Amino acid sequence: DAKTTQPTSMDCAEGRAANLPCNHSTISGNEYVYWYRQIHSQGPQYIIHGLKNNETNEMASLIITEDRKSSTLILPHATLRDTAVYYCITSGTYKYIFGTGTRLKVLA
Amino acid sequence: EAQVTQNPRYLITVTGKKLTVTCSQNMNHEYMSWYRQDPGLGLRQIYYSMNVEVTDKGDVPEGYKVSRKEKRNFPLILESPSPNQTSLYFCASSAGTGAGANVLTFGAGSRLTVL
Repeated sequence: DAKTTQPTSMDCAEGRAANLPCNHSTISGNEYVYWYRQIHSQGPQYIIHGLKNNETNEMASLIITEDRKSSTLILPHATLRDTAVYYCITSGTYKYIFGTGTRLKVLA
Repeated sequence: EAQVTQNPRYLITVTGKKLTVTCSQNMNHEYMSWYRQDPGLGLRQIYYSMNVEVTDKGDVPEGYKVSRKEKRNFPLILESPSPNQTSLYFCASSAGTGAGANVLTFGAGSRLTVL
């Protein structure tokens, strides 16, 4: 079973921020939070990861709550090309459980 | 270009005919793994390898074999394929030091159909 819980689907207007939530209430101290996305049936693409602190890169921002039981991926200005399935994963070892992710649809 | 290469990308085969899906990475990564993706089930880990000659089962290893004789290659072997192994398969690799973050780079996928 997936260790994370995500909404099945979300819509976002083009140009607006997309905020994708993830619940990982059973996360342990050494586990990172990773976000990947998959466009159609292509290989998943890495977006961002974090341990405790909020993180930002050229693609997105990751906000992790202080208790680390949930996080939010923020795409600041969503475009049509951001339409994809987004996966939130926690892992501290070599095993990864992807779950079914959130299908984000960016609307023109 | 840093990449994970899978072959074949598409394959239609028949039940019981042994096949191998190859995976190669050019990033000198320690860690490699295989996933299958089926509608409604997300990606499920089949096997992974922490280094040469070191492999371990993921969540759905039944019906599959792997080997890691060289660092760059991690083939997935279906000794006797069955229709329930019809799926989209992904290989991934990472630097995988065992400490710190372990960011995966995925291949483009191999779509396998077993008749």
